Amino acid sequence: DAGVTQSPTHLIKTRGQQVTLRCSPKSGHDTVSWYQQALGQGPQFIFQYYEEEERQRGNFPDRFSGHQFPNYSSELNVNALLLGDSALYLCASSYLGTANPHGYTFGSGTRLTVV
Amino acid sequence: AQTVTQSQPEMSVQEAETVTLSCTYDTSESDYYLFWYKQPPSRQMILVIRQEAYKQQNATENRFSVNFQKAAKSFSLKISDSQLGDAAMYFCAYRSARAGNDMRFGAGTRLTVKP
Repeated sequence: DAGVTQSPTHLIKTRGQQVTLRCSPKSGHDTVSWYQQALGQGPQFIFQYYEEEERQRGNFPDRFSGHQFPNYSSELNVNALLLGDSALYLCASSYLGTANPHGYTFGSGTRLTVV
Repeated sequence: AQTVTQSQPEMSVQEAETVTLSCTYDTSESDYYLFWYKQPPSRQMILVIRQEAYKQQNATENRFSVNFQKAAKSFSLKISDSQLGDAAMYFCAYRSARAGNDMRFGAGTRLTVKP
């Protein structure tokens, strides 16, 4: 049973560029959440996608956008990259259909470095 | 908004000894879930233990147990018979029982295990 898969694992971008990160959820999961984890910090919620729509959003600017596809996979896009966007980006999947008492299943993350 | 606080940035324990990691949270909801995640250098967040707020009995998973004090909004993790492999960042997390709500994390505690 495949877990959550994220690509790429590492990425270096130049300030002002745009980046796309990808996530495939665990089999059977229909909800994808994205988190930003700065070095030495806890993950901060960016947004959550369910049924191809953004269901919730954290305190992140519009430069951060996403998409969910019919197969439940998801992309995180960041435009006009800033040095402060350098972080580990984590994708987590879950099943929304019932009152789910379980936690999320996380991927290993994409390490983004903006230079 | 719900917040999660971990007041111990770093903790150290001798191998085979017991250590307790602290976590407090703030919420106005009565039904929610609490989690402890472990993040080793491999970066993947691994679920250690979870607790449903409506259950009075403290959760236990092998060497890991929690002390859940709902009135005090406290959720500590006790690791017994500590092993070298327990060394990692530990994150406390909160999630509302309302379907679709995101998970909120504390800033983490770095646990070192001394041989």
